[in-house]
Amino acid sequence: AQSVTQPDIHITVSEGASLELRCNYSYGATPYLFWYVQSPGQGLQLLLKYFSGDTLVQGIKGFEAEFKRSQSSFNLRKPSVHWSDAAEYFCAVGALNNNDMRFGAGTRLTVKP
Amino acid sequence: DTAVSQTPKYLVTQMGNDKSIKCEQNLGHDTMYWYKQDSKKFLKIMFSYNNKELIINETVPNRFSPKSPDKAHLNLHINSLELGDSAVYFCASSRTMDGSSYNEQFFGPGTRLTVL
Repeated sequence: AQSVTQPDIHITVSEGASLELRCNYSYGATPYLFWYVQSPGQGLQLLLKYFSGDTLVQGIKGFEAEFKRSQSSFNLRKPSVHWSDAAEYFCAVGALNNNDMRFGAGTRLTVKP
Repeated sequence: DTAVSQTPKYLVTQMGNDKSIKCEQNLGHDTMYWYKQDSKKFLKIMFSYNNKELIINETVPNRFSPKSPDKAHLNLHINSLELGDSAVYFCASSRTMDGSSYNEQFFGPGTRLTVL
């Protein structure tokens, strides 16, 4: 079965600084990759997804992620972080042969003024 | 025009009670899911239902039972609640995977269950 690792439990960045959240996946075939954001007390909102094609995908709120098959990674980036980006971020991987989507443990982002 | 809705948003109950959480989606999807998010924010799938058929059942205690009266609803029944059941439960839905395409899941706002 597929699995996801998010190595960073908590990241703090200053407002206006760039951001990169790491995600590594494990799956033998073509993965379907997602980044979700969860604001405090809220549900999960999809930021972006990768199914196929261009390995650099653009999402909402100015986020982008790059799929690197050789590194089994799908890191999330944003050039300039806003205070409202403070939230929990989850990377997830799906597989075509089942409906089971696996989530990483999440990375909590704190934004300093 | 909410896509995936859950009720209640908060549920506080005593150990040993039986409770239900309801989920409805108006996206026309035919697969629905329940996830549990523990206190460390770890999300784990519990069940999924496709056309009223259970297709995933992780190592979840049989005190938990999903019930789907129709493909727009997947309710979660929990019997004999325990302290460890305290968590946030998320419902989600998607179109059925057909072997050639992957369909993303849409999540509800979550139900925070607290067992005292």
